[in-house]
Amino acid sequence: RKEVEQDPGPFNVPEGATVAFNCTYSNSASQSFFWYRQDCRKEPKLLMSVYSSGNEDGRFTAQLNRASQYISLLIRDSKLSDSATYLCVVNDPGYSTLTFGKGTMLLVSP
Amino acid sequence: NAGVMQNPRHLVRRRGQEARLRCSPMKGHSHVYWYRQLPEEGLKFMVYLQKENIIDESGMPKERFSAEFPKEGPSILRIQQVVRGDSAAYFCASSPTVGPTLVKNIQYFGAGTRLSVL
Repeated sequence: RKEVEQDPGPFNVPEGATVAFNCTYSNSASQSFFWYRQDCRKEPKLLMSVYSSGNEDGRFTAQLNRASQYISLLIRDSKLSDSATYLCVVNDPGYSTLTFGKGTMLLVSP
Repeated sequence: NAGVMQNPRHLVRRRGQEARLRCSPMKGHSHVYWYRQLPEEGLKFMVYLQKENIIDESGMPKERFSAEFPKEGPSILRIQQVVRGDSAAYFCASSPTVGPTLVKNIQYFGAGTRLSVL
């Protein structure tokens, strides 16, 4: 089973800051990419899908670089409520399932 | 449209007992996945099921663990003769049956069952 690697953090940023996370994946055949968010002791929730051309959803921007096999998530104007663990997720065509990275923890302080 | 429903939310068992975790997928979803998350660890895939079929169980421990998704009723993850190392959060997810590949790959999670083995 292929791997998805993330910097575990934590990333400590003040409110209003811009922060970026990267993630690398090893299966070049992967076709679907996502960012999920997981709050402490809660279930993961889909934050956004990642499209080849890059996509934006409000303060969140996701980019995909297939040649280098990495995905990024940019959060602008950080809010206290953005504090969570962000999971990079890649589909695993050989196994018809998703592979989750261990997550990057973000802590936004006042 | 109810989300993925898991029960119980918390389950306490003594070593050697059996644990049964239940998962009802979202309406219209026939794909179910089980994951385990140990404290301070990431999500680990366990098993992928469709109605009455196990599609991929490559993440399931070879002994004591089994899963099913019957034609009627919820999916069940069963752990026999639990040990302390089985203490974890067990999450179930479901994905849509139809749609483009990207949509079918999106998984929606239940709130999880937290198993504590004494």
